[in-house]
Amino acid sequence: DGGITQSPKYLFRKEGQNVTLSCEQNLNHDAMYWYRQDPGQGLRLIYYSQIVNDFQKGDIAEGYSVSREKKESFPLTVTSAQKNPTAFYLCATAEDRYQPQHFGDGTRLSIL
Amino acid sequence: DAKTTQPTSMDCAEGRAANLPCNHSTISGNEYVYWYRQIHSQGPQYIIHGLKNNETNEMASLIITEDRKSSTLILPHATLRDTAVYYCIVRVYNFNKFYFGSGTKLNVKP
Repeated sequence: DGGITQSPKYLFRKEGQNVTLSCEQNLNHDAMYWYRQDPGQGLRLIYYSQIVNDFQKGDIAEGYSVSREKKESFPLTVTSAQKNPTAFYLCATAEDRYQPQHFGDGTRLSIL
Repeated sequence: DAKTTQPTSMDCAEGRAANLPCNHSTISGNEYVYWYRQIHSQGPQYIIHGLKNNETNEMASLIITEDRKSSTLILPHATLRDTAVYYCIVRVYNFNKFYFGSGTKLNVKP
């Protein structure tokens, strides 16, 4: 969706390294989300934030960390503790928890 | 959240209506039906959502049965660009999670 920017589109990581995925939005949305998608499967929720300086764990938060210091930004760090980091990562935003979520175009992370 | 059942794949001729079914027989009274689609290597795109009344927007129509146990997404005039995986999701209105299943792969053919 326009207004949600994920970068980079492709990312490669060596084993043992942390890597940070960027998600920026100019929609003035309060809520932001991170999902992971594996080949042929649906999306799984990693972390979400309903307001600045607050975030909650989703279903698969282990090995990931986030911050929400600004309304526009919700970066996701994939740490070395995440044993299977290769996946398609999607960021989503919503006006609030009651509204439909809108997605960015994703970042594809691969292990070298 | 209630689970949904969708056909794995469907074909549709270009210019014809595409009718995508979804079964959600265990849906609760406070759960909405949402439809998204995902074109390969892109993020899911929101299409439409509803509670019990039929809904229409510029992209599609959503028909929900009276007992709310199933619904149909209608793309009135399918184009080649509508080829995608379509996800039917049910969730409580103010719940943070969307549970995406495997969806229906719609193939629009010339």
